[in-house]
Amino acid sequence: GAGVSQSPSNKVTEKGKDVELRCDPISGHTALYWYRQSLGQGLEFLIYFQGNSAPDKSGLPSDRFSAERTGGSVSTLTIQRTQQEDSAVYLCASSLARHYEQYFGPGTRLTVT
Amino acid sequence: AQSVTQLGSHVSVSEGALVLLRCNYSSSVPPYLFWYVQYPNQGLQLLLKYTSAATLVKGINGFEAEFKKSETSFHLTKPSAHMSDAAEYFCAVSEQTSYGKLTFGQGTILTVHP
Repeated sequence: GAGVSQSPSNKVTEKGKDVELRCDPISGHTALYWYRQSLGQGLEFLIYFQGNSAPDKSGLPSDRFSAERTGGSVSTLTIQRTQQEDSAVYLCASSLARHYEQYFGPGTRLTVT
Repeated sequence: AQSVTQLGSHVSVSEGALVLLRCNYSSSVPPYLFWYVQYPNQGLQLLLKYTSAATLVKGINGFEAEFKKSETSFHLTKPSAHMSDAAEYFCAVSEQTSYGKLTFGQGTILTVHP
């Protein structure tokens, strides 16, 4: 079956621009996570969605970052006024429910010039 | 707060040799523990997980890990390395009382020499 998909696979943007990253989770998975992978910080949690509950945004590094999940399915991570330190691979994962196996997408590589 | 330490950012072995990747965690309550593998330009793939059942966990591709509460460790092993095992490996934990958010170690790059 189809796995987690993310788009775009690569994004190059100029400093100060806004970007949107998309995640399509596995159908039927109620939990969705965003992580960021960078050379300096390793893999770090950003945000978690579970069904219709309020998301846990405790990992978002600044108020320039936001995310939404529409209809309990597709999620979009938005970074406003991008900075060079935002350059990283953004990974999305979904699972049937909390503590079940998280399936990761291939990631979006963001480069801010 | 829980944390994960992977000893050795790079490990090099010969094909056919034992693979040992070390992981230690800090948590007041034994967490759920995971090992993920990442091949170049790909996402993470789950190798195995410990969820308080058997302490010796078998995963895919011949890997296994043993949970040792007294040592707060969850080391990953494979008896005989294969060239295709070359990748980056991440140990991760999630608190049993949480919603499953993963805290990752810094990763270990495994190189396999012919």
